[in-house]
Amino acid sequence: EPEVTQTPSHQVTQMGQEVILRCVPISNHLYFYWYRQILGQKVEFLVSFYNNEISEKSEIFDDQFSVERPDGSNFTLKIRSTKLEDSAMYFCASWGQELWQYFGPGTRLTVT
Amino acid sequence: DAKTTQPTSMDCAEGRAANLPCNHSTISGNEYVYWYRQIHSQGPQYIIHGLKNNETNEMASLIITEDRKSSTLILPHATLRDTAVYYCIVTHTDKLIFGTGTRLQVFP
Repeated sequence: EPEVTQTPSHQVTQMGQEVILRCVPISNHLYFYWYRQILGQKVEFLVSFYNNEISEKSEIFDDQFSVERPDGSNFTLKIRSTKLEDSAMYFCASWGQELWQYFGPGTRLTVT
Repeated sequence: DAKTTQPTSMDCAEGRAANLPCNHSTISGNEYVYWYRQIHSQGPQYIIHGLKNNETNEMASLIITEDRKSSTLILPHATLRDTAVYYCIVTHTDKLIFGTGTRLQVFP
């Protein structure tokens, strides 16, 4: 069974610091996504990425957020200046020919 | 994307079939019905999807009514490991909009 991996599993950072969350999507997938889930709340779409550019983003995905595919395997989410309200689980997902998204196990981001 | 309505929670005895309903009365012709689940705080897991025909895979069956305004996810023999939040999502794009889902508790 193919899988999406994410690192780190837990990241603690201080408010105002930059964080980079990393994901390795499934190798032959071309569409990549980030979602987040604040504790006790819904899973929320952040951004979709295809062909090295953002294809869609939500209102949450403001100028503090950016995504990148720096090489052929990694997909990253950067938060430039973290706020307390950025504390959440962040899930990466990828999509291939199967017509559904595979999600990673998530990174728990704690901003103090 | 069409809005979905699911019961907040359901219980099911281990070994019995779990039938999870979903209403999507405003679904349009090009929208698929997807089911995902989330076990504790893990990443959502794809279960099954369909357009208008009933579908079955190794995990579950999906029954879509003829008018497509509702569907039912069936876990034929629920186990304790099926305890999770189940999300019914209707979409014609790759963007998944999650609702609050149905919390299924499987008991011994």
